[in-house]
Amino acid sequence: DIQMTQSPSSLSASVGDRVTITCRASQSISSYLNWYQQKLGKAPKLLIYAASSLQSGVPSRFSGSGSGTDFTLTISNLQPEDFATYYCQQSYSTPRSFGQGTKLEIK
Amino acid sequence: QVHLVQSGAEVKKPGASVKVSCKASGYTFTGYYMYWVRQAPGQGLECMGWINPNSDVTKYAQKFQGRVTMTRDTSTSTAYMELSRLRSDDTAVYYCARAAAAGPFDFWGQGTLVTVSS
Repeated sequence: DIQMTQSPSSLSASVGDRVTITCRASQSISSYLNWYQQKLGKAPKLLIYAASSLQSGVPSRFSGSGSGTDFTLTISNLQPEDFATYYCQQSYSTPRSFGQGTKLEIK
Repeated sequence: QVHLVQSGAEVKKPGASVKVSCKASGYTFTGYYMYWVRQAPGQGLECMGWINPNSDVTKYAQKFQGRVTMTRDTSTSTAYMELSRLRSDDTAVYYCARAAAAGPFDFWGQGTLVTVSS
């Protein structure tokens, strides 16, 4: 099974900041990497798919990059509604493993 | 528009089984895989497996082999996940999620809380 490792596990930032979350796969997954946002008590929401493609309706301040084993999610100009937990997920093989999550909190 | 609507919360005793449903609408049910993902309280996301509603082929994560069964009813566009021999550590929110082959989980159900307690 492919292991996904995110860092950091938590992050404090202020409105207007730019933050970066990283995700590393235990083997190459090409660009089969997705990012989700989850708010408390809600289902996850797809933000980025195929490493860098923005899901319809997602603000352009969210961006993704990477290929192979190393990936990043960048959020520019943080807004109050962005404070949530973020997960990466590989869709290269089954089981579709997730990272352990990064909790983004208000500083 | 696409909707996945899950059945309501369940409380079960250890050793029992639970069956969660996920009714799809707004798209061709047989055109996408249906995955099941669970999230224990305060924990991350764990993929349990998938069913191809078109072929009825299933694949389960090793951890759940022998305890989980995923089925579908194409006449009602509903997917089901049954988990047997429940333990206290099966207490979690269970989600269904739609995906194209090798694609992301683009739509999710609202989640079903399953509580296992004596």
